[in-house]
Amino acid sequence: AQKVTQAQTEISVVEKEDVTLDCVYETRDTTYYLFWYKQPPSGELVFLIRRNSFDEQNEISGRYSWNFQKSTSSFNFTITASQVVDSAVYFCAPLPMHGSSNTGKLIFGQGTTLQVKP
Amino acid sequence: DAGITQSPRHKVTETGTPVTLRCHQTENHRYMYWYRQDPGHGLRLIHYSYGVKDTDKGEVSDGYSVSRSKTEDFLLTLESATSSQTSVYFCAISESLTSGGYTDTQYFGPGTRLTVL
Repeated sequence: AQKVTQAQTEISVVEKEDVTLDCVYETRDTTYYLFWYKQPPSGELVFLIRRNSFDEQNEISGRYSWNFQKSTSSFNFTITASQVVDSAVYFCAPLPMHGSSNTGKLIFGQGTTLQVKP
Repeated sequence: DAGITQSPRHKVTETGTPVTLRCHQTENHRYMYWYRQDPGHGLRLIHYSYGVKDTDKGEVSDGYSVSRSKTEDFLLTLESATSSQTSVYFCAISESLTSGGYTDTQYFGPGTRLTVL
C-alpha cells in the first residue's frame, strides 16, 4: 500500500526566513511522479512542480527548491527568504505509475499550512 | 490557464435532494477528474474520465455518479445528498498533447463549495 505523509500540520515563520516542508512517500513502486501544489487562502490549487522517481537532482526555481531522495522516500520543498504571499497550504501528491500507464490517481497528503508573518 | 470552470461555485441544499455539479473545459483535454477536499483528508479522488462516456471510480465514489457525454463537460451527481457530502469539490484535467498523449500533470478548477443541511 502507498502512503504519503506530511508530518508538519502547521508552520509559522517570519518573513525572510527559509522554511522546508517535508513529504515522505512510502511505496513499493519503483516508478512514480511526485507533485507539489499550493493552495492560497483564495482556495484555488496551483501546480508548482512535478518530478519523477528516476530523477534525484535537486531543482531550483527562483526562491523555491526541491530535494528528492529515493532512499529515504522524501520529497522536500524549501522556500528561501519567505514572503507573506507564500502563506498557503502546500500539498505533496504522488502519482503511482503502473508500467507505462498513468493511473491518474493522485494521492494527496494532508497538507502543511504555512503562515509567513511580516 | 487550463480553461477550467466549475458551476455552481457555491451551493446549499437539503439532505435527500439531488445535486449536479458541472465541470467545463475549453481545450479538448481527454482526462478529467473529480476530487473532494475535506479538513484532515487533503483531496480524494471521486471519479475520473478518460474520454467521452469512459469513466472509472476513484477512492471515494460511493454516493456519487458521473457522466461525460461531451469532451468539454464532466458532470458529478449526488443522487440523494447527505450531510457527509458537505465538502469542496474540485475538478481537474490532464492536458492532452498534440502527439495524442497527455501530460501527467493535473490542473484544477476553482472549486465548488457544497453544503448539505
